[in-house]
Amino acid sequence: RKEVEQDPGPFNVPEGATVAFNCTYSNSASQSFFWYRQDCRKEPKLLMSVYSSGNEDGRFTAQLNRASQYISLLIRDSKLSDSATYLCVVTLSGNTPLVFGKGTRLSVIA
Amino acid sequence: DVKVTQSSRYLVKRTGEKVFLECVQDMDHENMFWYRQDPGLGLRLIYFSYDVKMKEKGDIPEGYSVSREKKERFSLILESASTNQTSMYLCASSSLRDRGYEQYFGPGTRLTVT
Repeated sequence: RKEVEQDPGPFNVPEGATVAFNCTYSNSASQSFFWYRQDCRKEPKLLMSVYSSGNEDGRFTAQLNRASQYISLLIRDSKLSDSATYLCVVTLSGNTPLVFGKGTRLSVIA
Repeated sequence: DVKVTQSSRYLVKRTGEKVFLECVQDMDHENMFWYRQDPGLGLRLIYFSYDVKMKEKGDIPEGYSVSREKKERFSLILESASTNQTSMYLCASSSLRDRGYEQYFGPGTRLTVT
């Protein structure tokens, strides 16, 4: 079983749409959770951390369900500039390597 | 801003050559990582290091070695390059000051082995 699983997509959505990505992780001892964003032919960059209580950053909302070992990312009012691959990331602790999902590709279409 | 630089953006090598990929970070980060990224396989961890002269194997260390003689520099070595090592190689660093959570990536080196 893969440690971090994501739907690879692609998700093709019109501008202004709301889109949700899901991710499951296999290690119940995982402590920290993140979403990274990777633009085409660029390096990954941290988008946001995911907290147990859920957190929001502008149009982006991240949620964690520890019981189901499930993480989600919701993007509201999609922009063309949101087109990218979104990587779900988990780790056991600060000093263990991050475990990356394979990513979900989003294309926002005008 | 954290800056992670990699020695080459594109590299073409022949089978059997010894290849050095260099990574330098300028933020005094303790942790450094080497990944390769392939379509459909995502990011896979090759080696990592939490301190100078320290190294740990990641998920796919076979065919690779690393060197960390200075804190800011982490080198990936392909002892005898093979065609299945054609890939995008990404270096990253992080700091225990940030609890090690955010990794900063270099721009990547696209290596082709012919």
